[in-house]
Amino acid sequence: DIQMTQSPSSLSASVGDRVTITCRTSQSINNYLNWYQQKPGKAPILLIYGASSLQSGVPSRFSGSGSGTDFTLTISSLQPEDSATYYCQQSYSTPWTFGQGTRVEI
Amino acid sequence: EEQLVESGGGLVQPGGSLRLSCAASGFTFSSYSVTWVRQAPGKGLKWVSYITSSSSSTIYYADSVQGRFTISRDNAKNSVYLQMNSLRAEDTAVYYCARLPSDYHGMDVWGQGTTVTVSS
Repeated sequence: DIQMTQSPSSLSASVGDRVTITCRTSQSINNYLNWYQQKPGKAPILLIYGASSLQSGVPSRFSGSGSGTDFTLTISSLQPEDSATYYCQQSYSTPWTFGQGTRVEI
Repeated sequence: EEQLVESGGGLVQPGGSLRLSCAASGFTFSSYSVTWVRQAPGKGLKWVSYITSSSSSTIYYADSVQGRFTISRDNAKNSVYLQMNSLRAEDTAVYYCARLPSDYHGMDVWGQGTTVTVSS
């Protein structure tokens, strides 16, 4: 199985801050890396797919980068509505696996 | 509006069975693969199963449910099902279905989730 190591597990930042979350995979996944946002009691929302492609309707302050085994989700200017838990996920090979999540507090 | 709606969750005793349904609307259901993802209380997301869009659907399961859960789809009814047998306490979770345009595109539409509680 491909292991996902996401960091940090939580962070606190202020409105307007630049926030970076990293995800490392145990083997190369050819950019089959997705990022999701989940708010309490709600279903996840796809933010980024293919490591760097912004999902339609997602604000442009969200961006993804990386390749091989190291990936990053960046929020360029943190907004109050970005308070949530963020997960990376690989869809390169089954079993698909998620990172353990990063809780972002404003 | 493109939408997925899960149903069928509930309270079941250990060893029991449940059948979850995922009903799609607002898009061409037969063109999409569908996956089930679960989330235990206070925990992260865990992938459960996946069925492709092809007429001879390819199916995958997480090891933790292999042999106990069965995924299927009925394109005529725009629905995917998850038959869950031999349920255990550790299967307690919110179960989400989600669609995938392709493996590369991620899970782009999710249902609201249905809660399964396995307890005596």
